[in-house]
Amino acid sequence: DSGVTQTPKHLITATGQRVTLRCSPRSGDLSVYWYQQSLDQGLQFLIHYYNGEERAKGNILERFSAQQFPDLHSELNLSSLELGDSALYFCASSPGLWSDEQFFGPGTRLTVL
Amino acid sequence: DQQVKQNSPSLSVQEGRISILNCDYTNSMFDYFLWYKKYPAEGPTFLISISSIKDKNEDGRFTVFLNKSAKHLSLHIVPSQPGDSAVYFCAATDLNNAGNMLTFGGGTRLMVKP
Repeated sequence: DSGVTQTPKHLITATGQRVTLRCSPRSGDLSVYWYQQSLDQGLQFLIHYYNGEERAKGNILERFSAQQFPDLHSELNLSSLELGDSALYFCASSPGLWSDEQFFGPGTRLTVL
Repeated sequence: DQQVKQNSPSLSVQEGRISILNCDYTNSMFDYFLWYKKYPAEGPTFLISISSIKDKNEDGRFTVFLNKSAKHLSLHIVPSQPGDSAVYFCAATDLNNAGNMLTFGGGTRLMVKP
């Protein structure tokens, strides 16, 4: 158990819908990262927040947005969902701005029908 | 454009023998490399890392080798154990510019047979 929690575990929705994935980092960790793992691809970095501020952005679609709240939990919002958005979405956390060890949550499996 | 590639999708090894997982990268700005292990239904867990100023880093049964000129790194597991059966991801970053933005390879599934 990494100490990072993600809800929900599974999410099934329809194309065009909007969903919110939630992540609670390990106690004391200030950094939160979001990754997408599609069937045909490895882990793709989406976005990094540190203490409420966006620090780095990967290949995150404009339909996707994220934020980190004052209590350090984070939410990833996915809108206008397409079939290709079906994937495992992982959240990870680390204590500071840089750490070679990111602690990953168990992931949220999103299925878009 | 895949900047980090793991060309072997799977590897099968006998218990007690050496497992060698390979990873190639194309971005010469990468200066820090990591290996993560992932079991089914769990998130990846950090295994070992290496800075570009080194060519080897060892932690117990796990050793990572870095060949900068070939843009290649490998993870050696000796001796391999059935519990090592998992998907292994190699990752890289440019610490000066991208910091925590890890670029992952596609993963190699390791199966260690008893």
